[in-house]
Amino acid sequence: GDSVTQMEGPVTLSEEAFLTINCTYTATGYPSLFWYVQYPGEGLQLLLKATKADDKGSNKGFEATYRKETTSFHLEKGSVQVSDSAVYFCALRPNDYKLSFGAGTTVTVRA
Amino acid sequence: DARVTQTPRHKVTEMGQEVTMRCQPILGHNTVFWYRQTMMQGLELLAYFRNRAPLDDSGMPKDRFSAEMPDATLATLKIQPSEPRDSAVYFCASGSGQPSTDTQYFGPGTRLTVL
Repeated sequence: GDSVTQMEGPVTLSEEAFLTINCTYTATGYPSLFWYVQYPGEGLQLLLKATKADDKGSNKGFEATYRKETTSFHLEKGSVQVSDSAVYFCALRPNDYKLSFGAGTTVTVRA
Repeated sequence: DARVTQTPRHKVTEMGQEVTMRCQPILGHNTVFWYRQTMMQGLELLAYFRNRAPLDDSGMPKDRFSAEMPDATLATLKIQPSEPRDSAVYFCASGSGQPSTDTQYFGPGTRLTVL
């Protein structure tokens, strides 16, 4: 079945460091891909998405490119801030409503 | 700023008790989702409603869980009787359009602890 595998955490970085969280997927067809972020004590928020191959999603300095050839959707940010500390979830959605989430990666940014 | 609201935010109960969790979707949204988040299983879809009709509850243990939408502004998830393994964070999410394309907006969750 459809599934997502993402980099295990936790990840600890210093402010202004470069962040990459790897995400690969297994799916039949052409799913949409998402990154969600969960701040402490809150629900998940959509960070960015891409609906077809080679699309790049971007938001708040984060980017991810839908790579069909490598079945990947890695999340990157060039210079992280303390406020980026959160849990990040990669997810895919085939042609229906079901979102399949990865296990989540906890990111801590130190000042 | 429209948001999905959930009550209660925290619930501690004893095994065997009934638990009811409530969700108010964003006004105008016609799809509602219930998810459960645990350390072991991650995020799992429990149920999906469209225009108040349950379209998929295959992720939900049928013997003790039930989900309903009495009206467009309220979705409920009940567990009866509750068990310690039900301890988790339960999220409600709502969406406004075609579920294959729209964004799901999540509530803050209900953290359930069953002793």
